[in-house]
Amino acid sequence: QDQLVQSGVEVKKPGASVKVSCKASGYTFTKFGISWVRQAPGQGLEWMGWISARNGNTLYAQNLQGRVTLTIDTSTSTADMELRSLRSDDTAVYYCARRRSDTLDVWGQGTTVIVSS
Amino acid sequence: DIQMTQSPPSLSASVGDRVSITCRASQSIAFYLNWYQQKPGKAPKLLISTASSLHTGVPSRFSGSGSGTEFTLTISSLQPEDFATYYCQQSYTTPPTFGQGTKVEIK
Repeated sequence: QDQLVQSGVEVKKPGASVKVSCKASGYTFTKFGISWVRQAPGQGLEWMGWISARNGNTLYAQNLQGRVTLTIDTSTSTADMELRSLRSDDTAVYYCARRRSDTLDVWGQGTTVIVSS
Repeated sequence: DIQMTQSPPSLSASVGDRVSITCRASQSIAFYLNWYQQKPGKAPKLLISTASSLHTGVPSRFSGSGSGTEFTLTISSLQPEDFATYYCQQSYTTPPTFGQGTKVEIK
């Protein structure tokens, strides 16, 4: 079945960078884009950005512009999200999700990122 | 950015109850409204797209309605597995934005 599997828990110090991976299987990777959404503890869902798996075009949330980079590797059907200059309020669960017809129809299991000194 | 406001923030209901959740957009989004269900410690799951289209495999007790700025998610007969948090999301413009969520709890 179509699925997205994400990399594991990350613990980082303030000012560091983190890279989260999202590996797709069960479908043609280049047919759909990948969105990234994060959820701070006890909070709602925040869209971070989107990348086309066909051509690598990206859109980023304005509040993260300059700190986040989305990339894809079509040879491994993997999407990556790198977030730099981490702060304590970046502590969250980070999700990748397949964007299909303006919906997010398949989600990864989530990656917990903890930013703490 | 388009603001999405859900009401109520939480509700208590019993198995078998009919439950409705409202989502309002700060401007018209036509029918570009999706609903997701999230259980604790799990990723969200798509329930309904374009305001009223049930996603594959979603039970028919879930339904969605509305257009423009006001939308409703209805569960016709609440089941034990439906206790969760529900989010609306507009896909009319970038950035896509979510409501703050409605937590459905057991009475």
